[in-house]
Amino acid sequence: DIQMTQSPSTLSASVGDRVIITCRASQSISSWLAWYQQKPGKAPKLLIYKASSLESGVPSRFSGSGSGTEFTLTISSLQPDDFATYYCQQYNSYSWTFGQGTKVEIK
Amino acid sequence: EVQLLESGGGLVQPGGSLRLSCAASGFTFSSFDMSWVRQAPGKGPEWVSLISGSGGSTYYADSVKGRFTISRDNSKNTLHLQMNSLRAEDTAVYYCAKVGDTITYFDYWGQGTLVTVSS
Repeated sequence: DIQMTQSPSTLSASVGDRVIITCRASQSISSWLAWYQQKPGKAPKLLIYKASSLESGVPSRFSGSGSGTEFTLTISSLQPDDFATYYCQQYNSYSWTFGQGTKVEIK
Repeated sequence: EVQLLESGGGLVQPGGSLRLSCAASGFTFSSFDMSWVRQAPGKGPEWVSLISGSGGSTYYADSVKGRFTISRDNSKNTLHLQMNSLRAEDTAVYYCAKVGDTITYFDYWGQGTLVTVSS
């Protein structure tokens, strides 16, 4: 199974900061990577799919990049609504795996 | 508007069974693959199972293979997960999720239903 490793596990930031979250796959997954945002007690919400495609309705301050084994999620200017936990998720051969999450906290 | 509403969760003893259901609306249900994803307390999500739009193909995580069965009723826009031989490590919130236009991501999720396996 492909393992997904996110860094950092926790990130403290202020409103207006540029935030970058990294996700590494244990083997190449081409561009089959998605990013989700989850708030306490809620279901994950899709932000980015196919590594860099922005889901409809998601603010343009969110962007994704990467291919192969290294991927990043960037929030260009952190807003109060963005404090949450973020997960990456890969797809390969009818198997889907999530990272362990990155919690973005208020500094 | 896409809506997914899970039901059927609860407390069950180890070795017991439970059947989860997910009522879907707001899209052409039979045209999309559907999945179950679970999340144990304080952990990241874990994919459990996927079923094709027709119901003819199913896939399972190794952790549930042989114990869980996914099915769907396209006439009723409903997805099911039959869970047998439940273990403590199956304790989690179970989400029903619609698969995106490619099968590589999940674009809509239900609110989840809690399954607790404990004596």
